[in-house]
Amino acid sequence: KAGVTQTPRYLIKTRGQQVTLSCSPISGHRSVSWYQQTPGQGLQFLFEYFSETQRNKGNFPGRFSGRQFSNSRSEMNVSTLELGDSALYLCASRRVAGGSGGEQFFGPGTRLTVL
Amino acid sequence: TQLLEQSPQFLSIQEGENLTVYCNSSSVFSSLQWYRQEPGEGPVLLVTVVTGGEVKKLKRLTFQFGDARKDSSLHITAAQPGDTGLYLCAGQAGNMLTFGGGTRLMVKP
Repeated sequence: KAGVTQTPRYLIKTRGQQVTLSCSPISGHRSVSWYQQTPGQGLQFLFEYFSETQRNKGNFPGRFSGRQFSNSRSEMNVSTLELGDSALYLCASRRVAGGSGGEQFFGPGTRLTVL
Repeated sequence: TQLLEQSPQFLSIQEGENLTVYCNSSSVFSSLQWYRQEPGEGPVLLVTVVTGGEVKKLKRLTFQFGDARKDSSLHITAAQPGDTGLYLCAGQAGNMLTFGGGTRLMVKP
């Protein structure tokens, strides 16, 4: 079956703009998590959605938001972009949310560059 | 905040050598996962260890979970160029999965 897909794969924005990233989970997976990966901070958890509800949230400012649709597809939005938001944004899906939700499968990521 | 410290951060070795990567924390985890990530791709799960003291083998890779479930190690025997990549450990505590900073491994032919 198809893996996790993320669009777009690459994105260039300027400071102050906003951006929306999209993630389509593996068929049958209802939980979607978002992570930010940077060389300095590593892989950091942003939030997790399950059944259209945010279940967990990492330590990021309110400029980072997300949502999940009834078909489990998810989007994340970053408003008022800053240079430090340049990163690889990874989406991961699994069957259900929580610690026993099964293996997480990651998408290839969206590389965001903020100029 | 739970932190996972990985060491070393970078490792460059010759084909055929052995290596060990460490993942340490002061926190207890219900399980610990190891991932490998290649350029342009997302991390791929290698193994999950759940029981303190557990040892799992995956061909030339040996994973160990510490008795107190606070630390883990990944040992690669006779490394090959195909093992090159970023190795990440991640600890599960409740609903949260916390990642270590990663070990970037390069195996030269």
